[in-house]
Amino acid sequence: GQQLNQSPQSMFIQEGEDVSMNCTSSSIFNTWLWYKQEPGEGPVLLIALYKAGELTSNGRLTAQFGITRKDSFLNISASIPSDVGIYFCAGPSYSGAGSYQLTFGKGTKLSVIP
Amino acid sequence: DTAVSQTPKYLVTQMGNDKSIKCEQNLGHDTMYWYKQDSKKFLKIMFSYNNKELIINETVPNRFSPKSPDKAHLNLHINSLELGDSAVYFCASSQDGQGGWKRYGYTFGSGTRLTVV
Repeated sequence: GQQLNQSPQSMFIQEGEDVSMNCTSSSIFNTWLWYKQEPGEGPVLLIALYKAGELTSNGRLTAQFGITRKDSFLNISASIPSDVGIYFCAGPSYSGAGSYQLTFGKGTKLSVIP
Repeated sequence: DTAVSQTPKYLVTQMGNDKSIKCEQNLGHDTMYWYKQDSKKFLKIMFSYNNKELIINETVPNRFSPKSPDKAHLNLHINSLELGDSAVYFCASSQDGQGGWKRYGYTFGSGTRLTVV
């Protein structure tokens, strides 16, 4: 199936700093989803993007659907300690035999230093 | 109310044992899934199931089997547990059709941490 490449794999930032992470694919996606997984919990949907060029915000989070439809970016402004977690990009992709499934990137692990 | 609930939260067992993890969703969703998250945090789909078909990831050993007594439940049975089965297992669910999972993704449970000793 299609693969999503996320970068960076991990990052350590100071509280109050802005954060940027991205996700790329070798093929086109029609939807980009960003999830956050906190320690000991399952992934939770943060933002969904549906159109090329779309920019969507959710509080201090802003995500963009790349013009080429092969990438997406997630920015977090003025980070706080509770932003700690793993951020996953995801999108529906063809998995063969007429089926589609949600494909996940390998995640960006964010650590915030108070 | 918890949307997707899994039990137990933690499971420690010996090699060779058979164990089950239960999952229930109260969202009225059509399809349920099991994912395995390894130590590197990569989420790998194991099964997807609705009342029409079961789709199995071909890399999943046949010691793993999903059992669905009804639309709201998808349990995971594991036979002859091995050390390499240690991981966090997530159940998830989604809505099919227009405005379904392709727009809103899957809803995940909080995971079951399985440790095989």
